[in-house]
Amino acid sequence: GESVGLHLPTLSVQEGDNSIINCAYSNSASDYFIWYKQESGKGPQFIIDIRSNMDKRQGQRVTVLLNKTVKHLSLQIAATQPGDSAVYFCAVGSARQLTFGSGTQLTVLP
Amino acid sequence: DAGVIQSPRHEVTEMGQEVTLRCKPISGHDYLFWYRQTMMRGLELLIYFNNNVPIDDSGMPEDRFSAKMPNASFSTLKIQPSEPRDSAVYFCASSPGLAYSYEQYFGPGTRLTVT
Repeated sequence: GESVGLHLPTLSVQEGDNSIINCAYSNSASDYFIWYKQESGKGPQFIIDIRSNMDKRQGQRVTVLLNKTVKHLSLQIAATQPGDSAVYFCAVGSARQLTFGSGTQLTVLP
Repeated sequence: DAGVIQSPRHEVTEMGQEVTLRCKPISGHDYLFWYRQTMMRGLELLIYFNNNVPIDDSGMPEDRFSAKMPNASFSTLKIQPSEPRDSAVYFCASSPGLAYSYEQYFGPGTRLTVT
């Protein structure tokens, strides 16, 4: 099966700085990768995804990087804002199922 | 679209009682997933359905848990009898089944407390 781990359970950044959240996975056959954001009292919300045939994908202020050689995934948030404070989960997909990591709590400092 | 709808949002019950959680997926989505979230174990997949048929229930903790999907617009997760260790937030998610995306859309969750 798949196991997904996050490098840091918590991350604090100054407002305006860039944030990087990392994730490692175990199954080299996994073909789909996704980042979710979860605010307190809410369900996870989609941020960005990437398939295994890509190594980088950009959205609005967010970039996901995939390194299949070392089975590593990262989420970069540019110019972090107070509204970015939340728990961030990576999830790794295979055959429609997603396996979630344990989450990184991002705190944006004023 | 209203998104995935779950009810109730909060449930407090006593040990031994039956609990039923409800979910209405996004219209047109072929896949429905039930998850449990706790501080200790994070987000765990319990069961998922494709076109109303259960595909994988290997995450269901034990026989006290059961899930049904009688039609494309409704699913239930039942716990009978409930125990204090079942206390968690239960999420339902649906997915359109696109070939290029496994994105799942989550509901707001049901916070279950078993005393």
